[in-house]
Amino acid sequence: KQEVTQIPAALSVPEGENLVLNCSFTDSAIYNLQWFRQDPGKGLTSLLLIQSSQREQTSGRLNASLDKSSGRSTLYIAASQPGDSATYLCAVKPQGGSEKLVFGKGTKLTVNP
Amino acid sequence: NAGVMQNPRHLVRRRGQEARLRCSPMKGHSHVYWYRQLPEEGLKFMVYLQKENIIDESGMPKERFSAEFPKEGPSILRIQQVVRGDSAAYFCASSPAGVTDTQYFGPGTRLTVL
Repeated sequence: KQEVTQIPAALSVPEGENLVLNCSFTDSAIYNLQWFRQDPGKGLTSLLLIQSSQREQTSGRLNASLDKSSGRSTLYIAASQPGDSATYLCAVKPQGGSEKLVFGKGTKLTVNP
Repeated sequence: NAGVMQNPRHLVRRRGQEARLRCSPMKGHSHVYWYRQLPEEGLKFMVYLQKENIIDESGMPKERFSAEFPKEGPSILRIQQVVRGDSAAYFCASSPAGVTDTQYFGPGTRLTVL
């Protein structure tokens, strides 16, 4: 059974700091891994999608890496801003024909001005 | 192009009542997914539907929960005889036929059972 863990559960940093969020998964048989952002009372916004054959994806100040064999992914946020404050969710799509996503519990990020 | 729409955004029910949650996928999307987020928990998959078909309901509780996606109209997640443990945020996502890599999420319905 695929399980996704995110560490830390919460993180508070001063504005301008570079930071790394961690995601680990127990079964390396995945199609892809996705990072989402969730704002309070809102839905999920997809940030980056990494296919299983890829090592990393970049979008603006965000960079996500994937090491499928070790079951790990990191989300790197450069020069953090208060507007980055949100909960960041990691999700994997397991192989095996199912379209469901398996989510971690998220990391709640607070960027202080 | 409107995103995934869910209504109501907030729903309060008393124990034993029925809850109906609606999801209108993005225009042109024929695949719908329902997830539940319990307090302090991650999102958990419930069910995956295509028009008029349930494809995967492996995450649905065996009793009281049902889902449909009719030929016309929104997808409906129905919870009969709600209990306090059903209080959660219910998210719907959609994707186009043949392109299921990215699921687009709605804002969610927050169900509170008194």
